Amino acid sequence: AQTVTQSQPEMSVQEAETVTLSCTYDTSENNYYLFWYKQPPSRQMILVIRQEAYKQQNATENRFSVNFQKAAKSFSLKISDSQLGDTAMYFCAFIRYSGGGADGLTFGKGTHLIIQP
Amino acid sequence: NAGVTQTPKFRILKIGQSMTLQCAQDMNHNYMYWYRQDPGMGLKLIYYSVGAGITDKGEVPNGYNVSRSTTEDFPLRLELAAPSQTSVYFCASSSDGGSTDTQYFGPGTRLTVL
Repeated sequence: AQTVTQSQPEMSVQEAETVTLSCTYDTSENNYYLFWYKQPPSRQMILVIRQEAYKQQNATENRFSVNFQKAAKSFSLKISDSQLGDTAMYFCAFIRYSGGGADGLTFGKGTHLIIQP
Repeated sequence: NAGVTQTPKFRILKIGQSMTLQCAQDMNHNYMYWYRQDPGMGLKLIYYSVGAGITDKGEVPNGYNVSRSTTEDFPLRLELAAPSQTSVYFCASSSDGGSTDTQYFGPGTRLTVL
């Protein structure tokens, strides 16, 4: 079974600062995908970024980037030039790849990120 | 495209009552999922389906049933509601669950069992 751990229940930074959210995971799988989802107060789950485990290059999406360390089983999210709209819960998630289809995401408990004006 | 839709948005049930949470997607996705999110926690997988007529249990299936008669719809049934089922329920879908695995979520249903 896979586990995902987010060790920071809450973080608070000033607008325009850079912030890094931590995530570690445990798996015996070699082929898997990692995600960061954002959940604002509206409750909607919004995909922020994804990383395929077989890719060495870290994924980036505009102000969002990841630091993927496969050997250390670490997958942190960096948000640059943070904005008030980034205030939300952020969930790290894991899914193993299986040829017959996936069996669902495993989520961490989340980090509540607050961007202060 | 509406994406993934869920009804109702909110519901209060009494202990022992039954209900069905509806989920529909218009993206022609084969894979659909049901998750629950308890306060202060991440989402946990209840059931999933890889196509019409095929369903399988996730991490927390007890107390729930599902069916998948069409590609578009994936209802979740609670037969005898219990306070432990108070949660927010999310439905999600993905195109093949394999090489892409990006899941798109509905807006959620907040269920309270009293």
